[in-house]
Amino acid sequence: SQKIEQNSEALNIQEGKTATLTCNYTNYSPAYLQWYRQDPGRGPVFLLLIRENEKEKRKERLKVTFDTTLKQSLFHITASQPADSATYLCAPRGFQKLVFGTGTRLLVSP
Amino acid sequence: EAQVTQNPRYLITVTGKKLTVTCSQNMNHEYMSWYRQDPGLGLRQIYYSMNVEVTDKGDVPEGYKVSRKEKRNFPLILESPSPNQTSLYFCASSIDRGTEQFFGPGTRLTVL
Repeated sequence: SQKIEQNSEALNIQEGKTATLTCNYTNYSPAYLQWYRQDPGRGPVFLLLIRENEKEKRKERLKVTFDTTLKQSLFHITASQPADSATYLCAPRGFQKLVFGTGTRLLVSP
Repeated sequence: EAQVTQNPRYLITVTGKKLTVTCSQNMNHEYMSWYRQDPGLGLRQIYYSMNVEVTDKGDVPEGYKVSRKEKRNFPLILESPSPNQTSLYFCASSIDRGTEQFFGPGTRLTVL
């Protein structure tokens, strides 16, 4: 069955550093993958979409890579700030729909 | 302002008492869906709708019903709620099934 793996342990980093979050998927080949941000008790908010023919995509301090050979996407936040603290969800496009990972919590300390 | 609204935001109820959670979007989106979110399980799709009068089951549809009589509204109905339906529920809409999804603020449901 389709499986998505995101690190369930929180990632703690210092302000100013680059945060890198990992999303691994198995048993399917998504045409694209989305990343969302979720704050506690609130709905996820869309950040970026990357297609299978795109190796990398950037938006301000955010960068996403998509390696279809490794079946992995990496999500980077450069010059991280405490306001970046949240849970980040990856969502590869599965059969007819998005399938969401459980998310990785990022904590950026001042 | 483009948004998805849900009501109520919080609800505590008892087993077997029928309830409806409303969802409305003002973006003229074709696609709408309902998710539940539980610790360690992530977002799981309950039902989705491709357009008016077109609905289909997601991954965890048991115990839920939906309807799509108007494009903007997509209510979630629990005919006979049970404690295992205690969860955080999100409604979402998008232009189509694969594009950016806009989520509502969530409804925290507790079934005693």
